[in-house]
Parts: sequence; C-alpha cells; structure tokens
Amino acid sequence: NAGVMQNPRHLVRRRGQEARLRCSPVKGHSHVYWYRQLPEEGLKFMVYLQKENIIDESGMPKERFSAEFPKEGPSILRIQQVVRGDSAAYFCASSPRQISDEQFFGPGTRLTVL
Amino acid sequence: AQTVTQSQPEMSVQEAETVTLSCTYDTSESDYYLFWYKQPPSRQMILVIRQEAYKQQNATENRFSVNFQKAAKSFSLKISDSQLGDAAMYFCAYPCRSGGGADGLTFGKGTHLIIQP
Repeated sequence: NAGVMQNPRHLVRRRGQEARLRCSPVKGHSHVYWYRQLPEEGLKFMVYLQKENIIDESGMPKERFSAEFPKEGPSILRIQQVVRGDSAAYFCASSPRQISDEQFFGPGTRLTVL
Repeated sequence: AQTVTQSQPEMSVQEAETVTLSCTYDTSESDYYLFWYKQPPSRQMILVIRQEAYKQQNATENRFSVNFQKAAKSFSLKISDSQLGDAAMYFCAYPCRSGGGADGLTFGKGTHLIIQP
C-alpha cells in the first residue's frame, strides 16, 4: 500500500507568488492534517480536514492560507502572496479515524521563498 | 491549551547503551493518547510508540518502551541497546483539542539524539 504522498518535495517561490502543496492520503483514510515545521522546531498543527469539510483550522494563519480536501483528488494547501517567513517544511498526515490512531506522515514539502 | 514540553534539546549515548528522553504535558482530559515520533535526517516522521492513558501498563515496542506517569503527566521514552540507526530527532506528541474537537497533534520541540559509536 502506498503511504501518504506529497508533491512537490521541494518548491521555490518568489515573494508574492502562490504556493500549492498537494497531499494524497493513504488509500481509505478520510482524515487529513497539515503541519508546518520551521527550522529547529517541532511540527505545528495547521488544519484538519475530512472529505469536503474543514473540521478545524485553528492553527492556520487567517490570511493568505487556505486548505481543501475535495471529494475527488488530493488535499491542497494553498499559500497566496508568499513571504519569506512562509519558508518551512509542510507535512501532511492522514488517519483512518479521529484521534487515538496513528497519523501517517508524508515526506513533506520544503518551501523556500526567495 | 495543551502544551508538550521536552526539556532536553540534545542527548548523546554510546552505542548499545540505554537512554531516556523526557516529556511532560499539560491536559485536563482523562482519556487520551500520547505518541513518540522519530524524525531521522530524511525528515520522514515515523511513529515509534503509542500509549493509551487509560492503560496502566507501559507500552513497549521491541527496544523502545515508555514510562508513563499519569498523575505527574510525564511520558518518557527509553531506548535500550541504542543503535546507530536510532540517531534522529524525537518528538513527543499529544492530540490537541479545540472546542470543535480537533485532533491534530501538539508536538514538543524535540530532542536530538546522538549515538556515539
């Protein structure tokens, strides 16, 4: 079984451009989580989604960031008008059920903003 | 808000020796789960071990075991017979809850484990 897939693995954007990060969860998993990891820090929760629903976006910046998990296709984390402070590793995780279950992590997307 | 504290930024251990990584957390929940994840240089997050709070028995996975002290809100990870492949960042994690019942994980800042050959 394929694990969580994320693409691209590396993304370079100039300030003001848009970044789109994609995440395909483990087949059969309906819960998706996005995390951000700044250098030398732990992962910070951003958003939790189920198919077509945002369950909790309390960790996501109010502006420029959005996430979706459509009925068909991967989950997308979108960052508009990127700034240098957005440079980080963005990890996606999926699980078959809420809480208690292991979250399976993807390899991450490293975003660099020039 | 839940917090997870790892007080050891870095630990070093000789190969084949035992090392313990500490973690404390803050919660008002009574039933919950705790996790240790490992992040090697590849940056892939790998689950090491999971503890269910309602179980008094400490979880064990081969060379990895936990010392779970619920009253003290302490969740340390013991690695026995350390191997070079154990070198990584280790993160303690707890499912965070909001009013909407979110289940994203709250991570500690991590402990960098160095294995001396």
